[in-house]
Amino acid sequence: DAGVIQSPRHEVTEMGQEVTLRCKPISGHDYLFWYRQTMMRGLELLIYFNNNVPIDDSGMPEDRFSAKMPNASFSTLKIQPSEPRDSAVYFCASSLGRATEAFFGQGTRLTVV
Amino acid sequence: LAKTTQPISMDSYEGQEVNITCSHNNIATNDYITWYQQFPSQGPRFIIQGYKTKVTNEVASLFIPADRKSSTLSLPRVSLSDTAVYYCLVGYLISSGSARQLTFGSGTQLTVLP
Repeated sequence: DAGVIQSPRHEVTEMGQEVTLRCKPISGHDYLFWYRQTMMRGLELLIYFNNNVPIDDSGMPEDRFSAKMPNASFSTLKIQPSEPRDSAVYFCASSLGRATEAFFGQGTRLTVV
Repeated sequence: LAKTTQPISMDSYEGQEVNITCSHNNIATNDYITWYQQFPSQGPRFIIQGYKTKVTNEVASLFIPADRKSSTLSLPRVSLSDTAVYYCLVGYLISSGSARQLTFGSGTQLTVLP
């Protein structure tokens, strides 16, 4: 398996634009996580899914953020409209089971100017 | 949420054993303790996970005292390539209803010197 695949690896966008980050989890994994990493706040869990269903989105910072998982092999994190303070590295991770290791993707570095 | 506290940084020399301790005073009964390693420009990578006592795998050992309010990651004979940030993570997933978030600590920057 190629691991968790995220795209794009880098994204530069202007303030106010819509940004969509994509994630393909490891096949067969039933949990999917979206994290955000910044120097100031470290690694923050934004939302996670179990069997494609959002379980806890309390980490999503604002209504400008939304995440979907239409099927077991694809998830998106959308920011609309984007703001400079959204600049961060966004990681997607997947795992099999409740308390097992999570496999992280390489991340998407988002820069909003 | 189970808040974790780790040293900000540690230095070691090649070949030495390194022990990194994480404090998690309000850990809950169902919480597991997991450690991850992160290199620059990469996502975190799982190292080891435990619930109580001692767990050992091919890369590390995890020591958890009976009260589970802390844990220690032990890396035997570190090399230069072990220079990374190490995160202690405490949490447990629930498949329905409210859930405990998986909370990453602030991380410990380990620098291995030649």
